Amino acid sequence: ETGVTQTPRHLVMGMTNKKSLKCEQHLGHNAMYWYKQSAKKPLELMFVYSLEERVENNSVPSRFSPECPNSSHLFLHLHTLQPEDSALYLCASSQDPQVTYEQYFGPGTRLTVT
Amino acid sequence: RKEVEQDPGPFNVPEGATVAFNCTYSNSASQSFFWYRQDCRKEPKLLMSVYSSGNEDGRFTAQLNRASQYISLLIRDSKLSDSATYLCVVNSDYGQNFVFGPGTRLSVLP
Repeated sequence: ETGVTQTPRHLVMGMTNKKSLKCEQHLGHNAMYWYKQSAKKPLELMFVYSLEERVENNSVPSRFSPECPNSSHLFLHLHTLQPEDSALYLCASSQDPQVTYEQYFGPGTRLTVT
Repeated sequence: RKEVEQDPGPFNVPEGATVAFNCTYSNSASQSFFWYRQDCRKEPKLLMSVYSSGNEDGRFTAQLNRASQYISLLIRDSKLSDSATYLCVVNSDYGQNFVFGPGTRLSVLP
């Protein structure tokens, strides 16, 4: 399935690096999300964009910076991360920001911070 | 109390067995409910939405009990390919705040 794609699939970065994760959805959806999934913890919602406006920011540290240039693309800019930020970062999209439709996930970026 | 809780698992069942998972949620204003499955090292995929009247999709049946604030998933005639982690997801308003449970792992054994 190629509805939601993410790049890169794997990323290893040092604590002083700056990198960006990219997500693209080909489903014509209007809402996009970033989630973090750490080992043995539930998915944690990080950011929500609805019609390119950020509507949720669940107390995420400023070393994570999202960007949504249009309804099909979502980025997560990373800088000065900590080892505990190592996790699977998942992007998702859903159809209508005003109605609770199901979400479709990308394959994720597995991030390791050394 | 966590917002969404699930049976801790893991569940190890033989092929052909019937297995049921429960999920409870704390926010009585929750409006939408879903079951997702997640295979090892893969992304979550929608299994089914959960409707107030209950709904069935082949071997899978989902039930919602608003009064008791719980959702269930029943899998009949388990297949090896059903082995995965099952995630209960609750949306607590008409916005975009989806809350995931910790998941229940199922292993179907030959």
